[in-house]
Amino acid sequence: DAGVIQSPRHEVTEMGQEVTLRCKPISGHDYLFWYRQTMMRGLELLIYFNNNVPIDDSGMPEDRFSAKMPNASFSTLKIQPSEPRDSAVYFCASSSGTGGIAQHFGDGTRLSIL
Amino acid sequence: AQKITQTQPGMFVQEKEAVTLDCTYDTSDQSYGLFWYKQPSSGEMIFLIYQGSYDEQNATEGRYSLNFQKARKSANLVISASQLGDSAMYFCAMREWQGAQKLVFGQGTRLTINP
Repeated sequence: DAGVIQSPRHEVTEMGQEVTLRCKPISGHDYLFWYRQTMMRGLELLIYFNNNVPIDDSGMPEDRFSAKMPNASFSTLKIQPSEPRDSAVYFCASSSGTGGIAQHFGDGTRLSIL
Repeated sequence: AQKITQTQPGMFVQEKEAVTLDCTYDTSDQSYGLFWYKQPSSGEMIFLIYQGSYDEQNATEGRYSLNFQKARKSANLVISASQLGDSAMYFCAMREWQGAQKLVFGQGTRLTINP
């Protein structure tokens, strides 16, 4: 079975540019999560969706960050404009609300803002 | 307030020895779940083991077991017969039922297995 698929794996861009991270959850999973991992703050939940609807976006750092889930098989996390402090590894994870317990993570996107 | 505390930033263990990674948690919920994830140097997050707050027996998955002490609010991960491939970061996480599917992670413990 295919796991959670994230793209790109690495992204290097200049400050001020728009960055779009993509995620395809595991088929049949109804929850999707976006996390950010940094040395200083560890793993932080940014936002999560249930059945494509955003449930909790309290972790989104500021208005420069936005996330969408237009359908059950695709989500994006967008940063506009990007800043050097946004440099981090961004993970997408998915889980099933019925019977499933664990969140399954993608391989992450390593984002560097110069 | 820190919900998940992992007090060991790093641990060094000889191959084939058992290792215990500490995790304490803080919650007022009666219903919650505890998780351990492994993050190797390649960066992916791998789910290892889960313990529900109402589970009477400690969870086990192969060489992994979770030493769950509810009164002490601890959920330590035990790895038996450690292998070189166990070298990684290990994260403890908690899901409170009132928080629905939200996971809160500890800061992690870096485990190094020496040959």
